[in-house]
Formats: sequence, structure tokens, C-alpha cells
Amino acid sequence: KNEVEQSPQNLTAQEGEFITINCSYSVGISALHWLQQHPGGGIVSLFMLSSGKKKHGRLIATINIQEKHSSLHITASHPRDSAVYICASLSVNYGGSQGNLIFGKGTKLSVKP
Amino acid sequence: DSGVTQTPKHLITATGQRVTLRCSPRSGDLSVYWYQQSLDQGLQFLIQYYNGEERAKGNILERFSAQQFPDLHSELNLSSLELGDSALYFCASSLGGAGGYTFGSGTRLTVV
Repeated sequence: KNEVEQSPQNLTAQEGEFITINCSYSVGISALHWLQQHPGGGIVSLFMLSSGKKKHGRLIATINIQEKHSSLHITASHPRDSAVYICASLSVNYGGSQGNLIFGKGTKLSVKP
Repeated sequence: DSGVTQTPKHLITATGQRVTLRCSPRSGDLSVYWYQQSLDQGLQFLIQYYNGEERAKGNILERFSAQQFPDLHSELNLSSLELGDSALYFCASSLGGAGGYTFGSGTRLTVV
């Protein structure tokens, strides 16, 4: 059974700080997602990674398949980055469809002005 | 608008009742997934449909059932509701392969 662990659970930062959220998973996966959930509840997929590194604006996600570890970095953090960030592993594809997601418990980020 | 439409957005109902949640996937996506987010359990996978067929089951209770129709929309039926079923229910869709995952805005179910 795949377990997804995230750390830290809660993170408070000052505006402008560099932020790192870590994620580890226990079994082989086809990809890893980083999701963002705002207080209103909606979930947005930030990245889907199967290897290496991806960058979008101030967000950077990396994955090390051998070590079963991924990180999400936020550079020059801003109060609008305050949200819950969730790491989720995507189970292996089969029959042409993607598998389901297994979620970490999330990291609640609060960025203070 | 993510392209995945869930209705209703909010639902308040009494214990013992039955409700139906509806999801229309993003255009072209063949897979629909249902997830439950509760305060104590976090996000959990319930069930997946792919092109009309059940593909995978997660922690879905026997009181819950789902189906995907020929037009690819899906419904999640929750019956004999209990207080503990109060949660956010998300639908997501994907095309498959390397395609991304898109979430709907969720249905907040409150059982009183």
C-alpha cells in the first residue's frame, strides 16, 4: 500500500521568504501531483511530475524517483500563496486510463505581510 | 472554471436520507474520479470510472454507489446518510496517459 508523507504540516513564513515543502512516498508511482487548496475549498493542480524538475512562475517542483521524494519550492513568497499544499501520488496507469491519487495530509502555509 | 462541473455546490440533508451528486467531466476526458475530503480522514479516493466502466474502487462505503453515463457525466449516490458522511466531495477528470488531472469545485454535504 502506498503511503504519502508530507512535511511540515504547518508553515508560517514572512513575505519574501523561500519556502520548501517535502513529500515522500513508499512505492513506485507513475507520477506525482502537487495540488493547491484555498480556504474556499477548490483544488487546483499545480504540477504533475514523473521526473526531474518543473517551474511555473515562482513555483518549482522537483522529484527524485530513486529516493521516492519530491519537493515544492516557492520563491519570494507572498500572502496570496497562503493555502494548503497537497502532495499526491498517481498510481500506475493501466488500460489506457490514469490511476487514482493517494494524498498526503497537506501542508498549511501562511505567509505574513 | 476548471471545465469539471459539479452540482450542487452545497447540500444539507437529514440522517437516513439519500442524495445524488453530479459531475460533468472536462470535454474529452474519459475518466471520472470521486474523492471525499473530511476533516479527520483528509482526501480519500472513492471510485473511478473510465469510458462508462468502473475501473477502480477505493474506500467507498457499501451505502455509496456511482455510475458513469454514455455522455460521460457521473453521479455519486449516497444513501442512509450518517453524520459522519458530512464532507466535501470532489469529482476529477482526466484524459489518460500523460494528461493532467482537473478537479471540480466540490459539493459540500452537511448531514444534520
